[in-house]
Amino acid sequence: QQPVQSPQAVILREGEDAVINCSSSKALYSVHWYRQKHGEAPVFLMILLKGGEQKGHEKISASFNEKKQQSSLYLTASQLSYSGTYFCGTEINNGNTGKLIFGQGTTLQVKP
Amino acid sequence: KAGVTQTPRYLIKTRGQQVTLSCSPISGHRSVSWYQQTPGQGLQFLFEYFSETQRNKGNFPGRFSGRQFSNSRSEMNVSTLELGDSALYLCASSRGQVSYNSPLHFGNGTRLTVT
Repeated sequence: QQPVQSPQAVILREGEDAVINCSSSKALYSVHWYRQKHGEAPVFLMILLKGGEQKGHEKISASFNEKKQQSSLYLTASQLSYSGTYFCGTEINNGNTGKLIFGQGTTLQVKP
Repeated sequence: KAGVTQTPRYLIKTRGQQVTLSCSPISGHRSVSWYQQTPGQGLQFLFEYFSETQRNKGNFPGRFSGRQFSNSRSEMNVSTLELGDSALYLCASSRGQVSYNSPLHFGNGTRLTVT
């Protein structure tokens, strides 16, 4: 039931792009993305609803493919501040709202 | 606006003991979720409370329990502690039950070490 994130880790240089994928074996109602910096609490980035929605905030955007039960997070022109662990949280489309299951996380390191 | 507050920040307990962790949600938030975080396991869902009722539960043994009070504050209890219970326990609140319009706001967690 836990979604699978890939890659597990990625190292970038400033200005490079990255894509983090999140796949589920269950039909999804929504996908949440969070970022956790070392020693800090996870922080909310964005939510996507089923329907192939795509959202963005500055240089971080995400898409949600309901049919493939997948979501992808796109980080463009990465900055040092993007470093951290990214988690996708999935809400299964079974009418049982309130339960967000997270993937194992993707560690992103941006180097100067 | 104050964020989610978890107390204590650190705890050291011995195997067999029990422990209670506390979480004060953001004012106005009625849902509280608890997660266990360990290296390599990510965030494991423990349970979710909404309006004083446990609405969802993860796959943890009965030694893990919780409750929510009328002011939305929540406590989590772990009895008969085992070494494997050592982890960071995160509490997260949301305005309603987590959904497309109600994201989670996490506290800084309680670091539990069982010796």
